[in-house]
Amino acid sequence: DGGITQSPKYLFRKEGQNVTLSCEQNLNHDAMYWYRQDPGQGLRLIYYSQIVNDFQKGDIAEGYSVSREKKESFPLTVTSAQKNPTAFYLCASSIDRTAYGYTFGSGTRLTVV
Amino acid sequence: DAKTTQPPSMDCAEGRAANLPCNHSTISGNEYVYWYRQIHSQGPQYIIHGLKNNETNEMASLIITEDRKSSTLILPHATLRDTAVYYCIAQYSGNTPLVFGKGTRLSVIA
Repeated sequence: DGGITQSPKYLFRKEGQNVTLSCEQNLNHDAMYWYRQDPGQGLRLIYYSQIVNDFQKGDIAEGYSVSREKKESFPLTVTSAQKNPTAFYLCASSIDRTAYGYTFGSGTRLTVV
Repeated sequence: DAKTTQPPSMDCAEGRAANLPCNHSTISGNEYVYWYRQIHSQGPQYIIHGLKNNETNEMASLIITEDRKSSTLILPHATLRDTAVYYCIAQYSGNTPLVFGKGTRLSVIA
């Protein structure tokens, strides 16, 4: 079945460490997105990519980095510069730029210990 | 910032219709209304979208007022599995990523 896979589901990180969250899709979608969600809040956009080897900052890109070397993959690195990284991270993809066709992964819950 | 206003929470009895309102008084002519929902600790799921006309699919109906300043998502026969946060988004269907507000937390009660 086609879909979008995020791993791991739960991740614990020590302060000062970088950590990379995986996002893979086999839907042949061009666009991919990373959102962050804090308790009781909506989703906030971190980064997005509309084509391989190109990506744009979202509203809260500071302390994060991404790469898009392959169409299927859009990993997110949470760096030590991110002051409050504990959150639920969601990856999504869409076939093009239209807004109704978003498919989301099941998320990664990152906790800094 | 989100361009829509939704009530923070609503309750609905199981088997009854759930009517979720959304205000988007500043919507422009080429902006669509999208609805997504998020079940606890999962990623959001697309429900329905519309521009001017009312829309219906297997999940829900979308009623958009004639002046397009508000809309209502209708779940005709709510079940416990419909308990989720519902997001209404008013946005141009182009190259701008979706902007999510806080949504409405719908609780379906047995």
